[in-house]
Amino acid sequence: AQSVTQLDSHVSVSEGTPVLLRCNYSSSYSPSLFWYVQHPNKGLQLLLKYTSAATLVKGINGFEAEFKKSETSFHLTKPSAHMSDAAEYFCVVSRYSGGGADGLTFGKGTHLIIQP
Amino acid sequence: NAGVMQNPRHLVRRRGQEARLRCSPVKGHSHVYWYRQLPEEGLKFMVYLQKENIIDESGMPKERFSAEFPKEGPSILRIQQVVRGDSAAYFCASSPRGSSEAFFGQGTRLTVV
Repeated sequence: AQSVTQLDSHVSVSEGTPVLLRCNYSSSYSPSLFWYVQHPNKGLQLLLKYTSAATLVKGINGFEAEFKKSETSFHLTKPSAHMSDAAEYFCVVSRYSGGGADGLTFGKGTHLIIQP
Repeated sequence: NAGVMQNPRHLVRRRGQEARLRCSPVKGHSHVYWYRQLPEEGLKFMVYLQKENIIDESGMPKERFSAEFPKEGPSILRIQQVVRGDSAAYFCASSPRGSSEAFFGQGTRLTVV
């Protein structure tokens, strides 16, 4: 069994300040982990993925995430927030080590608000 | 180079009617997945299809829900005799053979009144 917990339902930061979106997971397997972003009225877009290579993963738009097995965490960070980052973010774990798209378990999402 | 296309974007049905949701995968993708997002919840897996085959339907409700991905045409998620609890956003995703990356559509938001 696997699960994902996104620790904050809403995060509000000022433009230009760092972003931290927290995610903890549990998995019976060596997990594949993903972060997806959903802008209003848009589909989900893959930000980055971890599949047992480097523990620090760089994604699009300046985001990165660090896989910490000892803490079962996969937090998403960005050094400097931009207004266009305002969206819903989902942390996702796959039950397959190769990350098959049918075995995805989604967190409930974190709504990121950017203050001007 | 179109992504995953879902239609309609919004669908309103009265209780007891049928809802048909369509999904056209990325060109060349042979694997389709349907996910449902209830209010205040994350997405939940429903079904995984390849052309003309259901591979995994472990997330589908046992009654009223069915899905298909015919040889020609889009994938269809069909909900018969809809009830208020079916109101949700339904997302379709596709991937090429052997890939772990899923490309998601914009979703269909079903409202049952």
